[in-house]
Amino acid sequence: NAGVTQTPKFQVLKTGQSMTLQCAQDMNHEYMSWYRQDPGMGLRLIHYSVGAGITDQGEVPNGYNVSRSTTEDFPLRLLSAAPSQTSVYFCASSYSLAVTYEQYFGPGTRLTVT
Amino acid sequence: AQKVTQAQTEISVVEKEDVTLDCVYETRDTTYYLFWYKQPPSGELVFLIRRNSFDEQNEISGRYSWNFQKSTSSFNFTITASQVVDSAVYFCALSVDSGGSNYKLTFGKGTLLTVNP
Repeated sequence: NAGVTQTPKFQVLKTGQSMTLQCAQDMNHEYMSWYRQDPGMGLRLIHYSVGAGITDQGEVPNGYNVSRSTTEDFPLRLLSAAPSQTSVYFCASSYSLAVTYEQYFGPGTRLTVT
Repeated sequence: AQKVTQAQTEISVVEKEDVTLDCVYETRDTTYYLFWYKQPPSGELVFLIRRNSFDEQNEISGRYSWNFQKSTSSFNFTITASQVVDSAVYFCALSVDSGGSNYKLTFGKGTLLTVNP
């Protein structure tokens, strides 16, 4: 199993550009999520999904869009990038919908918005 | 609402010292789960332990041990005889099982542990 994969690993965007961060998992997990990690802020939940076609907002959803058309994939879209979105983004999946079991994290995407 | 507090932002120790990372949590739910994750300098997040609210037994795994105390809402993590490879950011996290109304894991802000040779 590849676990959770994310692409790209690094990305530089200019303000106003849009892009999609890709996330895929091969563990047949229903629960998937996106976090952003900023210095001194820990990991903050952006969006999550409890199954194909079901998504919901986390703590910091503004400026981001998600969709879940398959169990495997959970892309994160930045609609119009802003410098405040410079961060490291982690995708994660879990066997448990209530996240009562461990989450498996991808390697992260380091995004810089200039 | 859930909250996790890791009051220690940074800790620096010398190799072979013991070190304890503190984690205090807040929740009104009676069924909840606590986690510790490690993030080494390479950046990936590594799961260390999961504990449910009904199991207050302390856990030991090699040089790692965890002390769960519901009376003080704490889930502290101790590394015995620390090593340079223990240098990392450590996150404590909380999820609750409230009958299908919560699907979120709440993280603390993390503690950066530096173990110097």
